[in-house]
Amino acid sequence: QKEVEQNSGPLSVPEGAIASLNCTYSDRVSQSFFWYRQYSGKSPELIMSIYSNGDKEDGRFTAQLNKASQYVSLLIRDSQPSDSATYLCAVNSWETSGSRLTFGEGTQLTVNP
Amino acid sequence: EAQVTQNPRYLITVTGKKLTVTCSQNMNHEYMSWYRQDPGLGLRQIYYSMNVEVTDKGDVPEGYKVSRKEKRNFPLILESPSPNQTSLYFCASRSQGPTGELFFGEGSRLTVL
Repeated sequence: QKEVEQNSGPLSVPEGAIASLNCTYSDRVSQSFFWYRQYSGKSPELIMSIYSNGDKEDGRFTAQLNKASQYVSLLIRDSQPSDSATYLCAVNSWETSGSRLTFGEGTQLTVNP
Repeated sequence: EAQVTQNPRYLITVTGKKLTVTCSQNMNHEYMSWYRQDPGLGLRQIYYSMNVEVTDKGDVPEGYKVSRKEKRNFPLILESPSPNQTSLYFCASRSQGPTGELFFGEGSRLTVL
């Protein structure tokens, strides 16, 4: 089983719709969770971080974390064509050598005008 | 401006010709890491460093070397490049601790013929 799994894409939504991106992780001691956005050929950029159970909202983005279910999601409301990108889920865990950040393979999102 | 700088951004080389990709950060981060990104495989960690003179293997270290003699620099060395090392490479850094945001360089696209 992969340590971090994301819903397989590509995901396509119409402009103005809600895009839902999902991520599950296998390590129960994971402590912090991140969503990165990556445009084609560019480097990933952080859009959301979440550390405790529940929802965290930032503008049109909402991250949801459920540690009991080992599940983290990202909702994008009022999706725009500029949101078209690959979204990477990253999970941070503590190991004896320090903290380790593991990425999922990413979900490609296309928002159609 | 806080940034991670990689060079070269683009490189075409031939099998067996040693090359170094430099990485420098100006944020005084203890943690630095190298990733490669290939279609369908996501971001995979090559090597990471928790601090000066401390380096550890990531998920795909074969064929690579790194060094961390100074806090700001973390070069990636390919002693004898092979075509399967053709990839997009990212250097990244962050502060220690579970909540530290990972900052990425702009990426280096390497082609080995």
